[in-house]
Amino acid sequence: SFDLTQPPSVSVSPGQTATITCSGEKLGDRYVCWYQQKPGQSPVEVIYQDNKRPSGIPERLSGSNSGNTATLTISGTQVMDEGDYYCQVWDGNTAVFGGGTKLTVL
Amino acid sequence: EVQLVESGGGLVQPGGSLRVSCAASGFTFSSYWMSWVRQAPGKGLEWVANIKEDGTERYYVDSVRGRFTISRDNDKKSLFLEMNNLRAEDTAVYSCARVAMYFFDSDTFPEAFDIWGQGTMVTVSS
Repeated sequence: SFDLTQPPSVSVSPGQTATITCSGEKLGDRYVCWYQQKPGQSPVEVIYQDNKRPSGIPERLSGSNSGNTATLTISGTQVMDEGDYYCQVWDGNTAVFGGGTKLTVL
Repeated sequence: EVQLVESGGGLVQPGGSLRVSCAASGFTFSSYWMSWVRQAPGKGLEWVANIKEDGTERYYVDSVRGRFTISRDNDKKSLFLEMNNLRAEDTAVYSCARVAMYFFDSDTFPEAFDIWGQGTMVTVSS
């Protein structure tokens, strides 16, 4: 099965840029989605097709995907951005999630 | 309002069975693939199963294949997950999710989980 690897945690100061990576073999050949999950809440889709934002997602969240690595970038990080972030791809008609990255803003 | 509401979770003994449900509203349920995703306490997201719009195709993660069955009732706008021979490692919050699709080269492909329910807790313990 296809594996996705994320760093367990990322820390950033308010106003700075946070970068969360997701690695997998030839990941650039697949579309990557990203989800944000805050404590006690359901996940929310924040990026689809590598770099597209659903309606209502701020422009300071952006995505890219090339080679073996996809990246979620949060510019001007705010305290409200704290939470767990998961990357996800489709392997045929089955879904694969990365292990998740806890973003701390301090 | 587009909404997914799960129900049916609870405490079950190892080897037991449970059926969880998901009620959809605010969108044309019969036009979407649907999925179940679970999250064990303190752990990450794990995709469990998918079902095509008309129920003719179903896919499962290896760890539940043969024990879990995903199904749907489009008339009642409902999604189900029948879980048999439950194990302690199946303990998790089970959430239903809508699958957004995209079109390419005269075919459709899964894109993302664009709507999620709040989840229902399933605990497998003696």
